[in-house]
Parts: sequence; C-alpha cells; structure tokens
Amino acid sequence: EIVLTQSPATLSLSPGERATLSCRASQSVSSYLAWYQQKPGQAPRLLIYDASNRATGTPARFSGSGSGTDFTLTISSLEPEDFAVYYCQQRSNWPRLTFGGGTKVEIK
Amino acid sequence: QVQLVQSGAEVENPGASVKVSCKASGYSFTSYYIHWVRQAPGQGLEWMGIINPGTGSTTYAQKFQGRITMTRDTSTSTVYMELSSLRSEDTAVCYCATGGDYYDYWGQGTLVTVSS
Repeated sequence: EIVLTQSPATLSLSPGERATLSCRASQSVSSYLAWYQQKPGQAPRLLIYDASNRATGTPARFSGSGSGTDFTLTISSLEPEDFAVYYCQQRSNWPRLTFGGGTKVEIK
Repeated sequence: QVQLVQSGAEVENPGASVKVSCKASGYSFTSYYIHWVRQAPGQGLEWMGIINPGTGSTTYAQKFQGRITMTRDTSTSTVYMELSSLRSEDTAVCYCATGGDYYDYWGQGTLVTVSS
C-alpha cells in the first residue's frame, strides 16, 4: 500500500498570507496525485489533479507541483473561504486510491 | 448535471449490518466506476472499495475484505454498499464518489452510527 504523509498537520495563517502544504509518498506515484479541499459538514472537493492541473472551478491562487514522492499545494494568498482541511490522494495503484492524513489550514 | 444522492442516516447495533445506497443521475451510469470512501468523526478519508457499474465487478480494501459487499442495480442507476459485523469503530460518514481518474463528484454522505 502506498502511504501518503501530509505536513504540517495544522497551518495557522492570516488571510492574505501564502500557504504551502506538503504531501510525501512512500514510493513514487509519478504525477498521479490530487488535492481535495473539505469544509465542515461537506464532502471533499477536487482542487488539483495529476499534481498540477486545476480542476474546473478551482481559483488560480491554488497551484500544485511535484512528481515522484514529493508534492506541494500552494495557496498564493489566502481568502477567508480557503480555511479548511486539505487532503492529497494518489491513483498510482488504481483502483486502490489512498489519501493522506490531511492538513488543516486555520485562521491565526 | 452529475448527481449522486445517498440514502439517509442509519443507526445500528454492534454486530448488525448496514446497507447504504447511492443513486446516480446526469450521466451514463456505466461510464464511471463508483468508489466508496468513509470518514470517522474528526478523522481523515479512507478508501473502502470500488464497483464497476457496467459489469458489477468489485475491488475492496484489504481492511474490509470479508465483511463488505458492493452491488449495483442498472435499472435504477443505483449502487449499494453493505457492511456487516458492525463495531463501534465503524461509526463514520460514508461517501460514494465518481469521476474519471479522480473524484470529481461526491454524494452528500451517509452517517452510519454503531451504538448499542
């Protein structure tokens, strides 16, 4: 099983600041990695797929990078609606998709 | 538009079984595989398994092997996930999800509570 480790667990930032979230895979997943955003009481929402492609409706302030085992989600300038939990997910060994443990972006 | 509508919340006793439904609409039912993902209270996302709505073939996470069954009804574009031998640790929100390579579309979630 491919294990995804996200860091940090919690990120405390103010609106307007830059957020950098990390996801590390236990083995190479090539570029087969996605990022999801989840707000309380809601289903997750796909933000980024295949490491760096924005899903439909994802604002340009969200960007993804990386390949192999190290990936990053960057939010260039946090908006109030961006405070949420973010999960990475790999599809390298589809259909056994796995998720990281999540990073909570909270208001400082 | 693509929609996945799940059945309502369930409360079950330990040792019982639960069956959750997920009705798809807005696309050809057999075009996308449907996955099930669960989330325990305050915890992360856990992949449970997948069903091919066209053939009915399934793949389950090792953790649930032997007590999970996924089925589909093509006449109503509905998939089902049944989990048996429930224990308190199975208390979670269960989601169905679909799309292409990733989960573009999600159901609203079904809370399964296991409590005596």
